[in-house]
Amino acid sequence: AQSVSQHNHHVILSEAASLELGCNYSYGGTVNLFWYVQYPGQHLQLLLKYFSGDPLVKGIKGFEAEFIKSKFSFNLRKPSVQWSDTAEYFCAVNSNYQLIWGAGTKLIIKP
Amino acid sequence: NAGVTQTPKFQVLKTGQSMTLQCAQDMNHNSMYWYRQDPGMGLRLIYYSASEGTTDKGEVPNGYNVSRLNKREFSLRLESAAPSQTSVYFCASRALAGSASEQYFGPGTRLTVT
Repeated sequence: AQSVSQHNHHVILSEAASLELGCNYSYGGTVNLFWYVQYPGQHLQLLLKYFSGDPLVKGIKGFEAEFIKSKFSFNLRKPSVQWSDTAEYFCAVNSNYQLIWGAGTKLIIKP
Repeated sequence: NAGVTQTPKFQVLKTGQSMTLQCAQDMNHNSMYWYRQDPGMGLRLIYYSASEGTTDKGEVPNGYNVSRLNKREFSLRLESAAPSQTSVYFCASRALAGSASEQYFGPGTRLTVT
């Protein structure tokens, strides 16, 4: 069965630090990949997505992710985080009619 | 556009009571989904409807039923609530199942079963 693994369940950073959140998936076919963000008390919102083409995808709020097919990875990055980036981040991969979700990474930014 | 709406926002039930969670979308999407979110477990799919007139079980369907009332509406029913069903429930919609489109989420229903 397809699965998505997010290695870090909790990450704590200071403002202006660089961020990289790991995401690995197990699916050998054509993949569509997503990163969603959930701010405290809110619903999930799309940060960015990869369908095809350039493996470096840029999203909202300065986030980007790189699809590395050989490593089955889709890591999320941001060069300089802000306090307002405190949220939970979810990676997902398209599988048939569903999205397969990672368990999420809680990111806390210290002011 | 309101996007995806859910009612109610909060609900407290006693064990054994029943209730229906309502979801509607105004984006003319074909596919709709019900998830539950529990701490440390991410999102788990309960049921989905790839298109109007079809429903399928997801990862955790036991104790739930769904109805795709029309293209806009997809309801989730708990026939006999149990404390294990205490969770936050999210409805989502997507233009086409199996496509490369993203899912859009509603604001969630926080359910407590005592």
